[in-house]
Amino acid sequence: AQKVTQAQTEISVVEKEDVTLDCVYETRDTTYYLFWYKQPPSGELVFLIRRNSFDEQNEISGRYSWNFQKSTSSFNFTITASQVVDSAVYFCALSESYNTDKLIFGTGTRLQVFP
Amino acid sequence: DSGVTQTPKHLITATGQRVTLRCSPRSGDLSVYWYQQSLDQGLQFLIQYYNGEERAKGNILERFSAQQFPDLHSELNLSSLELGDSALYFCASSHSGSSSGEQFFGPGTRLTVL
Repeated sequence: AQKVTQAQTEISVVEKEDVTLDCVYETRDTTYYLFWYKQPPSGELVFLIRRNSFDEQNEISGRYSWNFQKSTSSFNFTITASQVVDSAVYFCALSESYNTDKLIFGTGTRLQVFP
Repeated sequence: DSGVTQTPKHLITATGQRVTLRCSPRSGDLSVYWYQQSLDQGLQFLIQYYNGEERAKGNILERFSAQQFPDLHSELNLSSLELGDSALYFCASSHSGSSSGEQFFGPGTRLTVL
């Protein structure tokens, strides 16, 4: 069965600190996709990144970076020099590629960045 | 703005009632997904339609049903509502529905059952 675990329920940091959000997944598929979504206090879900299981290169986008390690089934997300606007709930998600790409979400990590 | 629209934004109703949530996907997207976000269950996939046909089903209660119309908009019908159905219901759309492309989420419909 597919499963996504985000063990950190809530993280609090002070502005400018770096923070890493953990994501561990389980799947029997050899082809799968991993996602991160952000849900700010306004409630919408904002797409951040999508990676497929064949691409283990780390990715950096501005202050955001992602570390995908197949060996440990992890897809961690790091925010460098956090800002108050980064305060949100962050969801990691997994999708299979056969027939349907429904998303299996983790329980989310609430990040609070204090000034 | 994702291009996915959902109406209404908020809905307050009583137990036992029936409601319909509406979703219009992004222009050109053939696949529509419904997700439920509640405090106890988190974000859960309910059902997916692709070009009018049901593609996948998740933890959707028998009291809930959905359909996708020829113009590709979708409706989620919730009946015999219970207090536990109070949640944020998201609709998402994607172009193909099976290649794990990005899903674009609507703003959600917040349902409160009193």
